[in-house]
Amino acid sequence: AQSVTQPDIHITVSEGASLELRCNYSYGATPYLFWYVQSPGQGLQLLLKYFSGDTLVQGIKGFEAEFKRSQSSFNLRKPSVHWSDAAEYFCAVGAFAGNQFYFGTGTSLTVIP
Amino acid sequence: EAQVTQNPRYLITVTGKKLTVTCSQNMNHEYMSWYRQDPGLGLRQIYYSMNVEVTDKGDVPEGYKVSRKEKRNFPLILESPSPNQTSLYFCASSSRGLIGEKLFFGSGTQLSVL
Repeated sequence: AQSVTQPDIHITVSEGASLELRCNYSYGATPYLFWYVQSPGQGLQLLLKYFSGDTLVQGIKGFEAEFKRSQSSFNLRKPSVHWSDAAEYFCAVGAFAGNQFYFGTGTSLTVIP
Repeated sequence: EAQVTQNPRYLITVTGKKLTVTCSQNMNHEYMSWYRQDPGLGLRQIYYSMNVEVTDKGDVPEGYKVSRKEKRNFPLILESPSPNQTSLYFCASSSRGLIGEKLFFGSGTQLSVL
């Protein structure tokens, strides 16, 4: 069965520090992988997605993610965090069969000035 | 402006009183979906629709109904709400099924069932 694990429930970083949010997935075929961000009181916004090709994917707001098939991971990174990056981040895998999305439980990011 | 509109944003009701949460998109998207978000559980899919008159169950469909009579609208119906349906609900749409396309999300509906 498809599943997504985000092992970190909450992360706190200082503004300007680097960030890495972890995501591991379980899926039987080539996965379609996504990172979404949810700001307080808002819906989810797509940061980036991976379907095939280059395993390092660039997204909006300076985020990037790297697909590692051997580790079943799709970690999100940012070199220098801004206070406005404080939000909830969700990793998701898309299952072609059934057209379903499977979301992780989310990682809440706090940015300290 | 391209958007997914949900109404209401906040809703408090009592057990057993039927309610409908509306969802409308102005992007001519074929695919629409409903999710509920609960602490520690992330987002879970309730129902989705690939096109008009085509709907299917997601992971947690019990206690919910949907309809897709028009392309732009995808209401979520709770015939007899119960306290365990207290949650934050999101409607989403995409242009041709979720694979290959990003989901556009509404702003959410916070439902409390007393």
